[in-house]
Amino acid sequence: DTAVSQTPKYLVTQMGNDKSIKCEQNLGHDTMYWYKQDSKKFLKIMFSYNNKELIINETVPNRFSPKSPDKAHLNLHINSLELGDSAVYFCASSQDPSGRSLGMKTQYFGPGTRLLVL
Amino acid sequence: AQSVTQPDIHITVSEGASLELRCNYSYGATPYLFWYVQSPGQGLQLLLKYFSGDTLVQGIKGFEAEFKRSQSSFNLRKPSVHWSDAAEYFCAVGARAGGTSYGKLTFGQGTILTVHP
Repeated sequence: DTAVSQTPKYLVTQMGNDKSIKCEQNLGHDTMYWYKQDSKKFLKIMFSYNNKELIINETVPNRFSPKSPDKAHLNLHINSLELGDSAVYFCASSQDPSGRSLGMKTQYFGPGTRLLVL
Repeated sequence: AQSVTQPDIHITVSEGASLELRCNYSYGATPYLFWYVQSPGQGLQLLLKYFSGDTLVQGIKGFEAEFKRSQSSFNLRKPSVHWSDAAEYFCAVGARAGGTSYGKLTFGQGTILTVHP
């Protein structure tokens, strides 16, 4: 069974559209994250949620809105997609009661969602 | 703010040869340090991490890394590379408690490892 899964795996869409990426983890973890990996392979954290509460919110356009319906799910909704949003988006999870102990808790990553905006 | 530099974008080694991937970081104190590996089409897998104590850290798949404070480095090594080690490797630094960077991981741009038979 996949520990951290993401859907879809590939997403090709037009500029201006609204799209969502879903993430689910079956590890029983309480903290989940979204990362963006750009074309130069730089991986940057976007958000982290702990027990459905937003903990980390990096400098991300407000077109990006994470939603955590429960501890096992963290979805990412993107409004008015732009060309620069093209990237690979990774979801991750960890068992981290504080939601901020990135240094102490191993993060488990999903396979990524490859988003291409045309 | 912390930063991570991986000077080598692409490294090619022969199977059975030794490997060293370089990582330099910038941070005001002793950071948390990590190495992750990403196979094609896959997510990132943690190889090893350093928090404190012994500066030589052992990880999975026969990898090790050494923290050198004086050089601000955390290089990854393996004595004998296997073809299955071909992947992309990312070094990352995590800020310790305090400050606006607390709780965030900063990644380097990655080093692609190619293994020749």
